Amino acid sequence: QVQLQESGPGLVKPSETLSLTCTVSGGSVSGYYWNWIRQPPGKGLEWIGFIYYGGNTKYKPSLRSRVTISVDTSKNQLSLKLTSVTVADTAVYFCARVLKSGYDSGFYYWGQGTLVAVSS
Amino acid sequence: SYELTQAPSVSVSPGQTARITCSGDKLGNRYVSWFRQKAGQSPVLVIYEDAKRPSEIPERISGSNSGNTATLTITGTQVLDEADYYCQAWDGTSGGIFGGGTKLTVL
Repeated sequence: QVQLQESGPGLVKPSETLSLTCTVSGGSVSGYYWNWIRQPPGKGLEWIGFIYYGGNTKYKPSLRSRVTISVDTSKNQLSLKLTSVTVADTAVYFCARVLKSGYDSGFYYWGQGTLVAVSS
Repeated sequence: SYELTQAPSVSVSPGQTARITCSGDKLGNRYVSWFRQKAGQSPVLVIYEDAKRPSEIPERISGSNSGNTATLTITGTQVLDEADYYCQAWDGTSGGIFGGGTKLTVL
């Protein structure tokens, strides 16, 4: 059974870089679309971007200038970097994998999410 | 940018049928997924590719998508179905798009 576990600092200062890791167990990061999704407290879900194991990425246009998603196949991990954060970036961050090989086959595997607060 | 619109809340009596809708321009031309999220938990995929169910999702949960509206239907609604429900689709420019979510209340 594929399991995802997010990890990283729970507190980031404004203007700094948010860095999170998603460790994958029970399966390989190869061959699927891996996504980052966030949810501000009390609000809805927001897709951030995805990476395909070959290195192809796609990001939400409004975040594109600040986001980098990468994969480390040797560690079976994906990572998220979000630069120049503001309080608006405070959210629970989820990593998620689609059910099948297509990017639009539904986010089936989810991590438990990690809360990142942006505050000085 | 492409947008998906959901009603903020839907209420239904136990045993009745709940219908949660998601609207977007020519949404029927895109695959829609639906997610159930309970407080403090990660979302759960309940419908993908408009009408397909993961194996662990019961048959009383179904989906459809045509024209500008996708619908999630829950028959024989139970208290355990109370949750926030989100629709999601893809746009070539915007990437992944979520609806604002619908809070389903069973009372």
